Amino acid sequence: QQQVKQSPQSLIVQKGGISIINCAYENTAFDYFPWYQQFPGKGPALLIAIRPDVSEKKEGRFTISFNKSAKQFSLHIMDSQPGDSATYFCAASKGNQFYFGTGTSLTVIP
Amino acid sequence: DAGVIQSPRHEVTEMGQEVTLRCKPISGHDYLFWYRQTMMRGLELLIYFNNNVPIDDSGMPEDRFSAKMPNASFSTLKIQPSEPRDSAVYFCASQPGADTQYFGPGTRLTVL
Repeated sequence: QQQVKQSPQSLIVQKGGISIINCAYENTAFDYFPWYQQFPGKGPALLIAIRPDVSEKKEGRFTISFNKSAKQFSLHIMDSQPGDSATYFCAASKGNQFYFGTGTSLTVIP
Repeated sequence: DAGVIQSPRHEVTEMGQEVTLRCKPISGHDYLFWYRQTMMRGLELLIYFNNNVPIDDSGMPEDRFSAKMPNASFSTLKIQPSEPRDSAVYFCASQPGADTQYFGPGTRLTVL
């Protein structure tokens, strides 16, 4: 059973547009929800993370929206740039057990 | 800090050969994880260690896979014998105790 479901699988956005990636989880015990960014040939790198006691976290152009009752969280990239083109993974964790989504390949067109 | 270091970055081998992947975690991190990434299955946790002790190896696909952590600064993932279906990118990640996992650059393994 997949603990974290991520959509869409791929996303194409014009430069300056908003990119939105969604994730849903099953286990209400999860208490940490990070997003990772992965460029080709590199390992995933932490982008931004949230805990379930807040509904939104913003860092620069990146925002996580968190809906505890719906068990959903999403990543919003404002003013998307070609340099944002990468694969994005959501994850949910409790302690040291991390469960990753299947990834979203984002392409930002100049 | 140099981050998590993995070697080799690329490995091409023939079916049946032994493969050893290496990882140096970030100093001071208590946890070390081995993941496998494929297009079909995404990121899969293979095994993780806490203070050099294997805690959960339920993700190790079969007996051909083994992992060790002889000390706090070094871990290996061994595949013997290797098979073409083992072709994937293998990541090592370390974690200080809670929250974020820090990933290495990965080893791309190709088994012919």
